[in-house]
Amino acid sequence: DAKTTQPPSMDCAEGRAANLPCNHSTISGNEYVYWYRQIHSQGPQYIIHGLKNNETNEMASLIITEDRKSSTLILPHATLRDTAVYYCIVSGGGADGLTFGKGTHLIIQP
Amino acid sequence: GAVVSQHPSRVICKSGTSVKIECRSLDFQATTMFWYRQFPKQSLMLMATSNEGSKATYEQGVEKDKFLINHASLTLSTLTVTSAHPEDSSFYICSADGTGSEQFFGPGTRLTVL
Repeated sequence: DAKTTQPPSMDCAEGRAANLPCNHSTISGNEYVYWYRQIHSQGPQYIIHGLKNNETNEMASLIITEDRKSSTLILPHATLRDTAVYYCIVSGGGADGLTFGKGTHLIIQP
Repeated sequence: GAVVSQHPSRVICKSGTSVKIECRSLDFQATTMFWYRQFPKQSLMLMATSNEGSKATYEQGVEKDKFLINHASLTLSTLTVTSAHPEDSSFYICSADGTGSEQFFGPGTRLTVL
């Protein structure tokens, strides 16, 4: 079973920041928080991951709470192409397969 | 960088036949590759973990004799669905572990068994 809980769907206006929450209250000390997204009928795309500290890359920012029980993925300026299912996954990384939950279907509105 | 390809992208076969799906890491070497499947309107489910030069590790409920996995090199893993039946129709996706502990996914293979 997935160790994360996400809202099933969210809407966001184009050009605005999209903030996707994730709860992972049972995360272990050595587990990372990963975010992937899947556009319809394609393979998932890696977005970002982190352990304790907040992380930022060219796609998004990841904010992890101090107790590590929840996190937020931020897409700073959402575009229509960001419409996808976003998966928050906790994993030890490396040789571990990923357990996907149901994710959040993010719909960017024009 | 970090591109994973799959071939074929789409295959239709008759019940009882076998189908081979290839997964390649194009610009990096992957000691470990993973195979997932996704049924319509559902999430991805891990089927097996494939390590180069050794036997694959299958998840509970996945028949190893039906889903044959070979990881002969650091850039190629194959999944063969043997004696395919309509219930095996699904979207099969592979991934490879990158250098920074993330996984990179292929574009997927849509299998339809008639």
